[in-house]
Amino acid sequence: DAKTTQPPSMDCAEGRAANLPCNHSTISGNEYVYWYRQIHSQGPQYIIHGLKNNETNEMASLIITEDRKSSTLILPHATLRDTAVYYCIVSRGSNYKLTFGKGTLLTVNP
Amino acid sequence: SAVISQKPSRDICQRGTSLTIQCQVDSQVTMMFWYRQQPGQSLTLIATANQGSEATYESGFVIDKFPISRPNLTFSTLTVSNMSPEDSSIYLCSVETSGTGTQYFGPGTRLLVL
Repeated sequence: DAKTTQPPSMDCAEGRAANLPCNHSTISGNEYVYWYRQIHSQGPQYIIHGLKNNETNEMASLIITEDRKSSTLILPHATLRDTAVYYCIVSRGSNYKLTFGKGTLLTVNP
Repeated sequence: SAVISQKPSRDICQRGTSLTIQCQVDSQVTMMFWYRQQPGQSLTLIATANQGSEATYESGFVIDKFPISRPNLTFSTLTVSNMSPEDSSIYLCSVETSGTGTQYFGPGTRLLVL
């Protein structure tokens, strides 16, 4: 699976959009980009995933660059409860394992 | 999605003993995964457990230390054997549903070995 690179930490003001970047320059054509988050002392929570098109759901939007070498997770209106470690993972999808990196600690400030 | 429960939620154990962790899912799933999260670290996959076949272990993990059972499509157990303080971690199970590669995680079992 392709390796991902994320900043170790980011801050965001409550109510503002949080934009979390991820670099995956070695991604293969059949690999998806997944985003998970882990709020302190809880199991990871699935957020969103995509292959090459931008995706949106009730939690977030995922923007994947045209060359697929990087992506951005957008939380449109961050709240204090969005403070968590966010993991960007590249995987081949069904029946394949997820390899977690160190992720980005997003701190939402009041 | 899937609702996953784990038992126990936490435990304190003595070195040299074994602990069996249970993972129960509210729907039938083919693939279940067991992860370990050491203090301050990210998640590391221990093994993949498919119903009806032997678990597949990742490099660095062996069946004698972490035996896994998968008796049906909604249940799995992970045993941490002959524990040492280095085994103090959070152990999480996850399942894949819907064929999209998306995994849903249980709340974790927090293990402290003295």
